Formats: sequence, structure tokens, C-alpha cells
Amino acid sequence: GAGVSQTPSNKVTEKGKYVELRCDPISGHTALYWYRQSLGQGPEFLIYFQGTGAADDSGLPNDRFFAVRPEGSVSTLKIQRTERGDSAVYLCASSRRVAGGLNTGELFFGEGSRLTVL
Amino acid sequence: GQQVMQIPQYQHVQEGEDFTTYCNSSTTLSNIQWYKQRPGGHPVFLIQLVKSGEVKKQKRLTFQFGEAKKNSSLHITATQTTDVGTYFCAGSGAGSYQLTFGKGTKLSVIP
Repeated sequence: GAGVSQTPSNKVTEKGKYVELRCDPISGHTALYWYRQSLGQGPEFLIYFQGTGAADDSGLPNDRFFAVRPEGSVSTLKIQRTERGDSAVYLCASSRRVAGGLNTGELFFGEGSRLTVL
Repeated sequence: GQQVMQIPQYQHVQEGEDFTTYCNSSTTLSNIQWYKQRPGGHPVFLIQLVKSGEVKKQKRLTFQFGEAKKNSSLHITATQTTDVGTYFCAGSGAGSYQLTFGKGTKLSVIP
């Protein structure tokens, strides 16, 4: 596609429920990032994929959060037993960066998935 | 872990005035990037700086990377209403692909 696509754009759930957020990166981009942005804050790093593997998952807040990218393209962020504090906009970004590159390169962000936990 | 701090948090300027936002890192960075996020939108890449002391210009925007690669600034000359939004700096350390964002500076331009 032309840009990074994220679904759903909005998700309202109840405390304790399970949610999945999907990201479809720009075609050919090997690097994929998940960030979380709360109101009035900057994006907070969650996890980074290079290809199919999670190269850095140090930003995941706890074991309720998990992300996969089984074929090196689409990624799913999974949140178990959601809590009210998980409410935020979850941003996905992709870049052309290849393994061994010197830096992240330009990140292309999607529109985000706004998660509200009641 | 790495921290990136930005000041000011908010800035209100009259249209035509200049604007500057400053970014400081707790550690030496391998590169720094700047993004702009319009209200209700997503962050959009503006520029990347990688060299010590580097200065880059994009029309009315001037970006600087400090000599020690621990700070950066964005200066906008003669602001316009189209400049409204939140400006974020984001940096990564050597060997890391984790881009750490500052909290941003929200710019309001009064016509």
C-alpha cells in the first residue's frame, strides 16, 4: 500500500479483555516498530522487528503485551487482560532500514489505533 | 535507559515571530531525528542529523546537532499558521535501533 495501515482505528474494550491491533507496513520495509502515545506525551517505544524477529522488545511494559510478525510483513500487537492504564494511541511505523545499517532511518508512521479500556 | 528531554513544552507565538525548541539527551546519540505531529495526526519525519555540529536547513526551518552529539535544536523563522503542531526530537544511541522520543514542544501560532 501507499502508507502504513493500522486497524482498527478505534477500539473500545472492557477491563480484562483481550485485544489485537494490526499493522500493515509499507511494502518492502523490513523494519517495523510499535510505539504507544498517551495524551500530551511523545511516542513511547514498545518493540522493534527486523524481518520476522523481534530485535528489541525492551519497551514492552509487562508480559501482558506481545507482538508477532510471522512473515516479515504484517504485525499484530496483542494485549491480554487489558487495564485502564493501557488506554492510549498505539502507533506502528516502518522503515527501509536493513540489518547492519547505521541507524533507524526515517520512520513512516501509521494513523494509529486508539485503544480505550473502560 | 536513554532519556531525551525537550523544552519548552508549549510555545505560543504571534505569526511572523521566530520559534526554537531544544532537545537534550542523557547519553551520546548516533543520530537525531525531528518529527512534526499535527493535531489529530501522526508523527511525520522532518529530518535526520548524524554528524557532530551538523546544521541543515529546510526553507524556514534550521536544524542543529551539537558538537557532543547530546543536544539538538529546531529553529523556525517567521512562523506561519501552517507551522502549528507538536515537534518531537528522537534519538538513538550507537548500535541501537530503538528511537527514543522527547515529550515534544507544542507550537501555537496566533494569526
